[in-house]
Amino acid sequence: QKEVEQDPGPLSVPEGAIVSLNCTYSNSAFQYFMWYRQYSRKGPELLMYTYSSGNKEDGRFTAQVDKSSKYISLFIRDSQPSDSATYLCAMSESGGSNYKLTFGKGTLLTVNP
Amino acid sequence: GAVVSQHPSRVICKSGTSVKIECRSLDFQATTMFWYRQFPKQSLMLMATSNEGSKATYEQGVEKDKFLINHASLTLSTLTVTSAHPEDSSFYICSAYREPNQPQHFGDGTRLSIL
Repeated sequence: QKEVEQDPGPLSVPEGAIVSLNCTYSNSAFQYFMWYRQYSRKGPELLMYTYSSGNKEDGRFTAQVDKSSKYISLFIRDSQPSDSATYLCAMSESGGSNYKLTFGKGTLLTVNP
Repeated sequence: GAVVSQHPSRVICKSGTSVKIECRSLDFQATTMFWYRQFPKQSLMLMATSNEGSKATYEQGVEKDKFLINHASLTLSTLTVTSAHPEDSSFYICSAYREPNQPQHFGDGTRLSIL
């Protein structure tokens, strides 16, 4: 079993839809959770960062963490064509000086105008 | 704006060539930088952790003599792919974090193609 599982999609939605992206993990030591957006041929761009269970909202984006179920989600409201990208979940055991990130495979999202 | 700069963005070269990729932190000092490799439609795989002033820490299965890492200053780490072959063709990405307990910021990657 991989440490982080993420449905690769592809996921195609109409403009304005609510998008739900999910990751599950097996390592209970993961404490920090991130969502990155990666456009084609570009590096990942940080969208959301959280280290506690519950919801965190930033504009149209909401990150949800459920440590008891080892499950994290990213919700995108009022999706736009510019949201079309690959979304990567990432997590780490600590935020110390030498922490390593473990990534999911990424979900390719297309928002159709 | 970008906080981590990577150069070059694209390299095409012949088999047997050594290629150097630079990763710079733009407005902060980075004692630690990370090098990742990404194959098409795959996730990022950590190759090594670059430590300023000391040897890099390589992940299992990564050949340290093949992928030379030098972190000579607090704002620059370099990855040299030595005697590159077609199987080394990939997307190489570096990252760094500004402060402990804060997420990593990534460069825009280097697409390496070995003919």
